[in-house]
Amino acid sequence: GENVEQHPSTLSVQEGDSAVIKCTYSDSASNYFPWYKQELGKRPQLIIDIRSNVGEKKDQRIAVTLNKTAKHFSLHITETQPEDSAVYFCAASPMDSSYKLIFGSGTRLLVRP
Amino acid sequence: GAVVSQHPSWVICKSGTSVKIECRSLDFQATTMFWYRQFPKQSLMLMATSNEGSKATYEQGVEKDKFLINHASLTLSTLTVTSAHPEDSSFYICSAIDPPNQPQHFGDGTRLSIL
Repeated sequence: GENVEQHPSTLSVQEGDSAVIKCTYSDSASNYFPWYKQELGKRPQLIIDIRSNVGEKKDQRIAVTLNKTAKHFSLHITETQPEDSAVYFCAASPMDSSYKLIFGSGTRLLVRP
Repeated sequence: GAVVSQHPSWVICKSGTSVKIECRSLDFQATTMFWYRQFPKQSLMLMATSNEGSKATYEQGVEKDKFLINHASLTLSTLTVTSAHPEDSSFYICSAIDPPNQPQHFGDGTRLSIL
């Protein structure tokens, strides 16, 4: 089955700097890759997603890139702000009829003011 | 739009009791719902996929007799933790989709503490 690896596990950046989180997946047939932000004790919230027929997607300060050949996708956050501090999860959806998500292990992002 | 409500938000009970958690889609029909468990500082682990009107599909290693899932309507799925023990203490989160539309929309989660 699908396996998703996420790095780094923790990331500390200065306010205004960029942050990059990377994920790899094992199932070449996976076709949907969302990123979720989770604050302590709260629900995961979708921040951006990408499908396998697209190489890059951007929404203001957030962008995601996908390399299907390498089975690798990344989250880029520019001009980071203290409120960006949270745990970020990547996920992959196998190309079957289940629509389930397999999550990465998470990255704890700390933006220092 | 796409609001998912989960109830209760917090449960504390004695070992051996059964606990039911409800997951409702408030403004869309969720033919598929998912149940996850999340231990402190860990990722979301998929427990099972629940399809309206059919039996749930459990992930490997999840005891179906321990975690009973019912998805009797297009807006409600329930997870019952039977004969709960301290090791079942965790954060349980549901999500819902109306396939083929994605993404998954998550509930607020239920923090379960078994004494």
